[in-house]
Amino acid sequence: TQLLEQSPQFLSIQEGENLTVYCNSSSVFSSLQWYRQEPGEGPVLLVTVVTGGEVKKLKRLTFQFGDARKDSSLHITAAQPGDTGLYLCAGEGSGYALNFGKGTSLLVTP
Amino acid sequence: DAGVTQSPTHLIKTRGQQVTLRCSPKSGHDTVSWYQQALGQGPQFIFQYYEEEERQRGNFPDRFSGHQFPNYSSELNVNALLLGDSALYLCASSLGQNSYYGYTFGSGTRLTVV
Repeated sequence: TQLLEQSPQFLSIQEGENLTVYCNSSSVFSSLQWYRQEPGEGPVLLVTVVTGGEVKKLKRLTFQFGDARKDSSLHITAAQPGDTGLYLCAGEGSGYALNFGKGTSLLVTP
Repeated sequence: DAGVTQSPTHLIKTRGQQVTLRCSPKSGHDTVSWYQQALGQGPQFIFQYYEEEERQRGNFPDRFSGHQFPNYSSELNVNALLLGDSALYLCASSLGQNSYYGYTFGSGTRLTVV
């Protein structure tokens, strides 16, 4: 199993603040995906990154894949209460399984 | 366009019993994967079905088995339930071997073993 470590585990911030969530591994992944999961729901795909060094933007969210394809980060600018949720990174290695991190639980208060 | 549908949404079973969970994939998807998510953890891969065959299996005992039907729907069966099997069971569908567009997850079945 290729392990993915996410940090921080918990994050509580005020509306308008910026934040960065990290996803690290010692393994190389062919692609890495970020999901957001809300209580009682399944994860919802935010982005897939494939190329080392790739940067993708989704409105106020910026995703980066490390040059060596072993790590990734998610940066949120001017967080809003609607950003609250569990952020999961998941790497696809040589097989078909997605290896998930434990997630970062984000709470944005007004 | 219906997404992934899972049933039932909640289930309570007694230790030692057997359970069957069901999943209908998103329209147009032909691959179904099952994940177990314990409280406070990320999802753990159980297995994936494609063309009615188990294509890959995670680190789960043989008590966990599955099936995919010709219409691409799938079942997850768990025998001899243990208290530790209590978790959210997620079904995810995708199209073929291309995961670039990600997996579409259902809302899950919350299984409680007492």
